[in-house]
Amino acid sequence: SQQGEEDPQALSIQEGENATMNCSYKTSINNLQWYRQNSGRGLVHLILIRSNEREKHSGRLRVTLDTSKKSSSLLITASRAADTASYFCATAPRGGSNYKLTFGKGTLLTVNP
Amino acid sequence: DTGVSQDPRHKITKRGQNVTFRCDPISEHNRLYWYRQTLGQGPEFLTYFQNEAQLEKSRLLSDRFSAERPKGSFSTLEIQRTEQGDSAMYLCASSLYIGLETQYFGPGTRLLVL
Repeated sequence: SQQGEEDPQALSIQEGENATMNCSYKTSINNLQWYRQNSGRGLVHLILIRSNEREKHSGRLRVTLDTSKKSSSLLITASRAADTASYFCATAPRGGSNYKLTFGKGTLLTVNP
Repeated sequence: DTGVSQDPRHKITKRGQNVTFRCDPISEHNRLYWYRQTLGQGPEFLTYFQNEAQLEKSRLLSDRFSAERPKGSFSTLEIQRTEQGDSAMYLCASSLYIGLETQYFGPGTRLLVL
């Protein structure tokens, strides 16, 4: 079953604009990860944020985590056409099964040149 | 390239046939995972190995599915008597257990059952 819910399901923006995607989840987590998937390809890991962290940056990516609201957001700044992809959040549960990632359905981002 | 590799990348088979997929993880990674992804959905966990031991199997993994990881290196996922509902992308991932670890995914094997 899917634990994460990304919002919006689809997002279309112009090159140079910022893109924000949100993820909500249901149970207590050990960490939350964001992945990118180009059409028909495997997943590329973008960033991992631990449950005791509130914000993390990596290049043009900024991730926030609010465990009280069970939500996370991914911000991509100064988007490029090459950022066009599906973006998934994945949660690792607290406890012994913290290896078992549960993914949402993803946000399809289209960046128009 | 020392990433996770999967073979074949695409497989078309007829219903009732058996298929086998292979995954080669990143060489020093001791954990290996299989996920299944259907169209418009995120990946769903199927099974997990630590070294050669299969430590967890999802309820999604029916009796027709079997996975192995001999000698704790590559892994195979076999589906017997395939059904049309098995059509999906099968993704393999690996990680090095150091506590909070990142899972690195392969390109996937896309299965179409006719």
